[in-house]
Amino acid sequence: QKEVEQNSGPLSVPEGAIASLNCTYSDRGSQSFFWYRQYSGKSPELIMFIYSNGDKEDGRFTAQLNKASQYVSLLIRDSQPSDSATYLCAGRGKHSGYALNFGKGTSLLVTP
Amino acid sequence: DAGVTQSPTHLIKTRGQQVTLRCSPKSGHDTVSWYQQALGQGPQFIFQYYEEEERQRGNFPDRFSGHQFPNYSSELNVNALLLGDSALYLCASSRTTAHYGYTFGSGTRLTVV
Repeated sequence: QKEVEQNSGPLSVPEGAIASLNCTYSDRGSQSFFWYRQYSGKSPELIMFIYSNGDKEDGRFTAQLNKASQYVSLLIRDSQPSDSATYLCAGRGKHSGYALNFGKGTSLLVTP
Repeated sequence: DAGVTQSPTHLIKTRGQQVTLRCSPKSGHDTVSWYQQALGQGPQFIFQYYEEEERQRGNFPDRFSGHQFPNYSSELNVNALLLGDSALYLCASSRTTAHYGYTFGSGTRLTVV
């Protein structure tokens, strides 16, 4: 079992809607989580990180962490076509040390 | 403020050859990690360098080796290339603890034929 799991999608949402991207992890020692956006052929770009249970908001983005359920999510409000990309969830903690454990990524398509 | 720079951007090599990829970290960052990203997959951790030493290594064979220089720049070397080594190689830099995550370079696309 991969340590970080994501639905590969594609997830299709209309422009202006809320996109909900989900990620589960198996390592209970994971302490921090990162969401990266990756456009096709480009490198990953950090969107948000979250360490504590609950919600963390930054502009149109909200990251949610539930350590009891080992679940991380990213909500994108007012989705724009420019948000169409692959979103990578990564965890890091006691067992991974300094390494980020990435999921395979979820492809998001925002349609005009 | 320059971000993470990698060279070359693209490379084509033949099976059995050796390759060296280069990375300069973002200004103010002292730690460099290397990741391999196959098509349709998430990045896989190769190793991390800090204070010119390999601090942590992922599940990659010894054919993959690296180096960090006093100016924090780094090289990734891959010997005896296999077709399966074809991938996007990403360099990521951070401050020591990486509390706020890693900054990735634009990557080197390696094709082994």
